[in-house]
Amino acid sequence: NAGVTQTPKFQVLKTGQSMTLQCAQDMNHEYMSWYRQDPGMGLRLIHYSVGAGITDQGEVPNGYNVSRSTTEDFPLRLLSAAPSQTSVYFCASSWSRRNTEAFFGQGTRLTVV
Amino acid sequence: GQQLNQSPQSMFIQEGEDVSMNCTSSSIFNTWLWYKQDPGEGPVLLIALYKAGELTSNGRLTAQFGITRKDSFLNISASIPSDVGIYFCAGGENAGNMLTFGGGTRLMVKP
Repeated sequence: NAGVTQTPKFQVLKTGQSMTLQCAQDMNHEYMSWYRQDPGMGLRLIHYSVGAGITDQGEVPNGYNVSRSTTEDFPLRLLSAAPSQTSVYFCASSWSRRNTEAFFGQGTRLTVV
Repeated sequence: GQQLNQSPQSMFIQEGEDVSMNCTSSSIFNTWLWYKQDPGEGPVLLIALYKAGELTSNGRLTAQFGITRKDSFLNISASIPSDVGIYFCAGGENAGNMLTFGGGTRLMVKP
């Protein structure tokens, strides 16, 4: 089983560039979410989705957009990258509202210069 | 947003020693989860707790869901070198399946 797959694993962007971080899961999970991890701060929720066509903001949504056109995919878009968005990004999925056990991808390490 | 205070921030112990770490919150959670993260990898779920007072074991790991729903602890018995990593607690809410993470405990084990 592939589980949660994130691409790319590493990325360097220039300030102002845009890009999309890809996330796909093959477990038929309803819930998907994006977190960013910064040193000493744990993981902070950016956006999440409770199902196809439904998304909502987390704790730190500014500068990021998401969409959920299929159950499997949950891409994260940076429209105009800023140095403050340098971080490690994790995508996660879980079964349903009653089950909060999230499975994580391997992460995307993003550097904005 | 909600804050989870996880302590200690780091621990350096001798192989074979027992380890204890905990998380406290000013808010109530319906779920407490404990994850381990190895370098360059995503967090991996160790233990999930769903009821206040619940005590659950997974091999050498034992975790408890505090009776007030505002805290949880994780114990590791007889530590081994592969226990090295960062351990995170996470509090879960039913609505939206959102997780709030603690800042992590970095565990180092000396053989």
